[in-house]
Amino acid sequence: GAVVSQHPSWVICKSGTSVKIECRSLDFQATTMFWYRQFPKQSLMLMATSNEGSKATYEQGVEKDKFLINHASLTLSTLTVTSAHPEDSSFYICSAWRENMNTEAFFGQGTRLTVV
Amino acid sequence: RKEVEQDPGPFNVPEGATVAFNCTYSNSASQSFFWYRQDCRKEPKLLMSVYSSGNEDGRFTAQLNRASQYISLLIRDSKLSDSATYLCVVNTGFQKLVFGTGTRLLVSP
Repeated sequence: GAVVSQHPSWVICKSGTSVKIECRSLDFQATTMFWYRQFPKQSLMLMATSNEGSKATYEQGVEKDKFLINHASLTLSTLTVTSAHPEDSSFYICSAWRENMNTEAFFGQGTRLTVV
Repeated sequence: RKEVEQDPGPFNVPEGATVAFNCTYSNSASQSFFWYRQDCRKEPKLLMSVYSSGNEDGRFTAQLNRASQYISLLIRDSKLSDSATYLCVVNTGFQKLVFGTGTRLLVSP
């Protein structure tokens, strides 16, 4: 079964609204989670590293004020896409490495966001 | 130059065929290497880790050449269910994964 759960799996929203995506580690604690974005026919690109109890680290070119990340507990990270625009439409996916088992990253099911 | 490069394919092969995928990476300090499988509109799932000594899991064999910064995946006796996109993934450190664009495999009857 899934060890990282992401919700919602798909969402359609209007331009200008905000959308929150949740990522939960189900049977382990994750001090670090990662958020990726994948556009059609492209690779997954790391957006940011979510750190429990501290600020997220954003990759170059990713606007931190637009993609708000909150990692308030050891099992939950959220990504909020603020003031969404059609160009934000993409597949967003989170991942976490199980502590002390640094051999595999587990991925959430992904969230397909469509902004209309 | 992309950090991880793969031939996007598609590779069209008949059932039972053997197919090989290659991948190169640019960061010589990369720490660990993986092949993931991604089905359409789904999350990536780990197929296998890749070691310098080579590793095999059933019909799948992966190989890493650190000197050449080259990773390979061999699939023997292809099945219809092997049709998917195969992602070459590199851990560049601190659990940061860099993904190739993926190689699409289509296995036909």
